[in-house]
Amino acid sequence: DVKVTQSSRYLVKRTGEKVFLECVQDMDHENMFWYRQDPGLGLRLIYFSYDVKMKEKGDIPEGYSVSREKKERFSLILESASTNQTSMYLCASSPSGETLGDQPQHFGDGTRLSIL
Amino acid sequence: QKEVEQDPGPLSVPEGAIVSLNCTYSNSAFQYFMWYRQYSRKGPELLMYTYSSGNKEDGRFTAQVDKSSKYISLFIRDSQPSDSATYLCAMIDFGNEKLTFGTGTRLTIIP
Repeated sequence: DVKVTQSSRYLVKRTGEKVFLECVQDMDHENMFWYRQDPGLGLRLIYFSYDVKMKEKGDIPEGYSVSREKKERFSLILESASTNQTSMYLCASSPSGETLGDQPQHFGDGTRLSIL
Repeated sequence: QKEVEQDPGPLSVPEGAIVSLNCTYSNSAFQYFMWYRQYSRKGPELLMYTYSSGNKEDGRFTAQVDKSSKYISLFIRDSQPSDSATYLCAMIDFGNEKLTFGTGTRLTIIP
């Protein structure tokens, strides 16, 4: 079974702090993704990566950056946390295919982040 | 208008009933269609995955795609309390290669 592990289930940070969310997958998947999930808005893609050191912006990248130094690890960074970044953050991975999206994504259990 | 519309519910049905969950979409470029199930405080897990119009069956679950009407459905037969979860539809446009999700329907099966 694919295992996607997010380092924290719950996190509370203060406005202005730099926040790191970590994600590790154990299936040697090429593609990794970061989403945020908000009530009424569903899942929205923040960033994705299709290879080590490669990254692409998703639909809502503002205020975020990512790092992928190793194939199994994908980090999401909130450069200066703000209250509107309070949300559930979900990491996902998928194997490579003919296109980025033709392989199903496997999700971690999420990090519920609160910015005070 | 959102690209993918999904009734948020909540939907409550008695145990053993047939459940019908639906999504409509506006982008005719969507090619692959998925259903994810998300239990409370957990990440979404892939339930069904299909790319063609018609029906795909897996146990008690049937995914139906009608590309001409831009409409997808998930049917759950003999529903169980363990089916209580939020169900998310998702679809892929190969043009931008991103997965677009519906907002999810919260389902409760009453014993």
